Amino acid sequence: EVQLVESGGDLIQPGGSLRLSCAASGFTFSSHWMSWVRQAPGKGLEWVANIKQDGSEKYYVDSVKGRFTISRDNAKNLLFLQMNTLRAEDTAVYYCTRIPGIEDFFDYWGQGTLVTVSS
Amino acid sequence: IQMTQSPSSLSASVGDRVTITCRASQSIRTYLNWYQQGPGKAPKLLIHAASNLQSGVPSRFSGSGSGTDFTLTISSLQPEDFTTYFCQQGYSVPFTFGPGTKVDIK
Repeated sequence: EVQLVESGGDLIQPGGSLRLSCAASGFTFSSHWMSWVRQAPGKGLEWVANIKQDGSEKYYVDSVKGRFTISRDNAKNLLFLQMNTLRAEDTAVYYCTRIPGIEDFFDYWGQGTLVTVSS
Repeated sequence: IQMTQSPSSLSASVGDRVTITCRASQSIRTYLNWYQQGPGKAPKLLIHAASNLQSGVPSRFSGSGSGTDFTLTISSLQPEDFTTYFCQQGYSVPFTFGPGTKVDIK
């Protein structure tokens, strides 16, 4: 069974940093693109970043470029999102998602981890 | 690529046939996916590539369209279907979602 379990969400002050983790199991993690998608409270979904199987390609939404870094550890089946210079508008539930193949959709989602940026 | 959905909400009854529309600001061929999200839950993939039903999803869900205009149809609403639906384009980065359509009980 495919499982994605996020952790690391917290209440953080504006300008602060946070690292989210996602533990993957039930599939060959190193064979899949992975992604982070977020959802602000009561709002819609926003794709944040993608990372290729070997980490050689990464893509970001403009609003997080230069502040967020996606990475992965294929030996430990872990996906990360390093978030720096956090802003109030980064407040959201962050979902770890799997991309099944060469397609560009998200077939499995974690339960999400809440990041709240507030003073 | 901007994604829009209509309606933003609708009221329907169990057994009704419901259609939700998604429109892209430019052609995305058939790189269009649909998700269902219950309250407090993670989204669930329903349909990918415009019309391909994800494994395990009931056959009352169907999708169609290409280019800029797409539809999600629920042929006979069941109680568990009263929730929110999002479309998403996978044609180009940044992947973008529609604002959602909430389906509630009439």
